[in-house]
Amino acid sequence: SNELTQPPSVSVSPGQTARITCSGDALAKQYVYWYQQKPGQAPVLVIYKDNERPSGIPVRISGSSSGTTVTLSIIAVQAGDEADYYCQSADSSGSVVFGGGTKLTVL
Amino acid sequence: QVLMVQSGAEVRKPGASVNVSCKASGYAFSDYYIHWVRQAPGQGPEWMGRINPNSGGTNYAQKFQGRITVTRDTSITTTYLEVISLRFDDSALYYCARDAIVGAPGDYFDQWGQGTLVTVSS
Repeated sequence: SNELTQPPSVSVSPGQTARITCSGDALAKQYVYWYQQKPGQAPVLVIYKDNERPSGIPVRISGSSSGTTVTLSIIAVQAGDEADYYCQSADSSGSVVFGGGTKLTVL
Repeated sequence: QVLMVQSGAEVRKPGASVNVSCKASGYAFSDYYIHWVRQAPGQGPEWMGRINPNSGGTNYAQKFQGRITVTRDTSITTTYLEVISLRFDDSALYYCARDAIVGAPGDYFDQWGQGTLVTVSS
C-alpha cells in the first residue's frame, strides 16, 4: 500500500512536547518529509530525509524514524506552532504521496 | 529571493478546461524540477505531476493521466498546468512547487507558489 496514515489531531499545552506520527509500508524504504501549513498559507518544509532540518527551522522541531512509522516531534510547543502538519513520501512507482494531515492544537 | 507567482483564480463549468501558470524567479529555472500539487478544501495535498524544465519531460500521477498536461516556457521561466474535462470535485487550490534537489527529482518541495483557486460550478 502507498498510503500514509496520520492521526487527525494532536493537542498539547504550551511548553509540552507534541509528537505526530505517520505510518505506511513505503516508509521502510523511502524517506519522509514533513510540512507545516498554517491557515491561508502554502505548506512549508520543516523536515526532510526523515530527520534533517532546512535552514531557518528551529531545533525544537525534529524527526525520527523506526521501520514503517516516522515521528515529528516539537518540543516546548508554542502558540505559533499551531498548524496542520503533513508527512510526504514517494511510492515504488515514483509518485509522491501525502498523509491526510494532523491538526496540532495548542491548548 | 526565490519566488513562484501563480495566475489568478478561475471559475469554470463542468466539462471545461483550465490553464494555470507559475512564473519562477530568483534562481536558475532549468536546474530544478517543478511539481503541481492540489488541495481540496479541508483536505491534504495531492500530487499531480512533475516536469523537467530542461527537457520538458513529464510524469503524472496515475489518477490524472490523460486529463492533465504540464508544459513550460524556458524563455519566460513559466510552467503551465492544463486540466481538461473538469468535474465538481476538481475544485481546489492548485499549487506549483519547486523540487528541493538540483538537477534531479528529489520529490520534495522547498518553494511553493501562493496557490490558484479553481472553482468548478454550474
